[in-house]
Amino acid sequence: RKEVEQDPGPFNVPEGATVAFNCTYSNSASQSFFWYRQDCRKEPKLLMSVYSSGNEDGRFTAQLNRASQYISLLIRDSKLSDSATYLCVAGDSGGYQKVTFGTGTKLQVIP
Amino acid sequence: NAGVTQTPKFQVLKTGQSMTLQCAQDMNHEYMSWYRQDPGMGLRLIHYSVGAGITDQGEVPNGYNVSRSTTEDFPLRLLSAAPSQTSVYFCASSLQGARGYTFGSGTRLTVV
Repeated sequence: RKEVEQDPGPFNVPEGATVAFNCTYSNSASQSFFWYRQDCRKEPKLLMSVYSSGNEDGRFTAQLNRASQYISLLIRDSKLSDSATYLCVAGDSGGYQKVTFGTGTKLQVIP
Repeated sequence: NAGVTQTPKFQVLKTGQSMTLQCAQDMNHEYMSWYRQDPGMGLRLIHYSVGAGITDQGEVPNGYNVSRSTTEDFPLRLLSAAPSQTSVYFCASSLQGARGYTFGSGTRLTVV
């Protein structure tokens, strides 16, 4: 079983739609969580951290459910520019704070 | 700031050749890591460093060496290239791991 699992998609959604991705992690000791965005043939870029109380950044909302060990990302009012692969990341509590990346969920926003 | 700079962007090697992938960051980050990304496998950690002079192995270290003589630089050496090392390599750095990583633009390596 992978440490961080994501539905690879693709999720094809029309412009303006709301779309949600879930990600599950297997290490109950994981302490920090992130969502990264990766455009085709580009490097991953940090989209947002995920806090226990949930957090919002514009059209993006991230939630953490420790009991069920999953993280979610909600994108409202999807834009064409949101088309990318979204990587879920879980980090441990060690001194180095090693992180494990999911394989990503591909989103395609359609005009 | 330049952020994380990786060179070269593309490289083709013959089996058995060695080479060094360069990575430099100008953000005074303590943590630096090397990842490889393969289709369907996600990003896998090769080696990492928590500061100058300190390195450790990640998930897939075989066939690779690293050193960290300065805070800024973290080169990755391929000792004897194999076709299985064909991949996209990313260097990343972080002030503290919990704050998330900044990635370089990647090196696309093909071993023939």
